[in-house]
Amino acid sequence: DTAVSQTPKYLVTQMGNDKSIKCEQNLGHDTMYWYKQDSKKFLKIMFSYNNKELIINETVPNRFSPKSPDKAHLNLHINSLELGDSAVYFCASSQGGGGGSNQPQHFGDGTRLSIL
Amino acid sequence: GQQVMQIPQYQHVQEGEDFTTYCNSSTTLSNIQWYKQRPGGHPVFLIQLVKSGEVKKQKRLTFQFGEAKKNSSLHITATQTTDVGTYFCAGKTGNTGKLIFGQGTTLQVKP
Repeated sequence: DTAVSQTPKYLVTQMGNDKSIKCEQNLGHDTMYWYKQDSKKFLKIMFSYNNKELIINETVPNRFSPKSPDKAHLNLHINSLELGDSAVYFCASSQGGGGGSNQPQHFGDGTRLSIL
Repeated sequence: GQQVMQIPQYQHVQEGEDFTTYCNSSTTLSNIQWYKQRPGGHPVFLIQLVKSGEVKKQKRLTFQFGEAKKNSSLHITATQTTDVGTYFCAGKTGNTGKLIFGQGTTLQVKP
């Protein structure tokens, strides 16, 4: 009965590879997010989707491509992985995340990505 | 761009001592949220403040939102070892729908 689930939990791969992280939420929320947390614990928003539509797209290299097949899923594909991509990636969801919504965000357990 | 600054970055306290973390925004916020992340865990929502000068309490935790809606604080009275973790403030401005997180304050509590 996990609310926001991400897979895989750990991802260790070589520089230059392509990898995907999947996220699913069963809270019935209409908005989903991807955050990157670096080694200093700084949390930065990368993307947000509201009802499958991209609403937030921060200054992220275009090697990162999110995809939302439906409002319960938001996947993240990363091409040509670089050393600087090593971080923890968190998926989150909320209800009514666009506009003036004040709803809290629910986070997944995170995917720990390590680039060798 | 908009920034949310949080201090201190780290705080070590003896169990039973009080703890406070401060959050300042470069712009007026529509609301501010607080999250707690345990070591190895994920951020968990604690509370949201919306009104100017608002004060909310959760047991030993007291949250304040400044009159100008540009700053906020979280105060923990008589810390316990279960309070260990990183506390984040996160502010939202206007209608962007985007939460800007502070850098977090990592609290260590010595038993």
